Amino acid sequence: ETGVTQSPTHLIKTRGQQVTLRCSSQSGHNTVSWYQQALGQGPQFIFQYYREEENGRGNFPPRFSGLQFPNYSSELNVNALELDDSALYLCASSLGQGNTEAFFGQGTRLTVV
Amino acid sequence: GNSVTQMEGPVTLSEEAFLTINCTYTATGYPSLFWYVQYPGEGLQLLLKATKADDKGSNKGFEATYRKETTSFHLEKGSVQVSDSAVYFCALSDGAAQGGGNKLTFGTGTQLKVEL
Repeated sequence: ETGVTQSPTHLIKTRGQQVTLRCSSQSGHNTVSWYQQALGQGPQFIFQYYREEENGRGNFPPRFSGLQFPNYSSELNVNALELDDSALYLCASSLGQGNTEAFFGQGTRLTVV
Repeated sequence: GNSVTQMEGPVTLSEEAFLTINCTYTATGYPSLFWYVQYPGEGLQLLLKATKADDKGSNKGFEATYRKETTSFHLEKGSVQVSDSAVYFCALSDGAAQGGGNKLTFGTGTQLKVEL
């Protein structure tokens, strides 16, 4: 059973650019959630995908978008990067339908300069 | 909306000391409550959880009891070890509506440092 893997681990982008972060969910999991963790803060919910459809969104602007593929892996896209987008982006996978445990990846550290 | 408030750190303790990290929450309905731990350079790991009032979650010597009357979920451990040094996050879930999984609201985290 493989865990949740995210790529890349670190990334530096320039303000205004676009970025795509990737997440492979744990085997058998059909739900992926994305979180943004600013330095010294707790993770903030961005959105969740369940069986390839968006299933809830936090308080993030539309330039944060996502996708889930038939194999349940997922992408987070951020357009028009701003300096405040610098953070650790965490992906969590779970098996939907109830209060099941969410398994987190190690995250992607994004730095916007 | 939902929110979680936890005590600020860092908390510095000597090995074998008693640990309490306070956590209170605001939520509508009946959330599930969680403690996650983040070791340096790693992702979040679920430490324990409780899904209804008066439930006690426990794992690796850590315990927390879901207190609906005080809207609290304080984390305790009787005797901490150096290896417990990490950042601890209290979180709640509004439950899985219409399928999907937990959507978590986290506190800001409390850093624990345990010294010999």
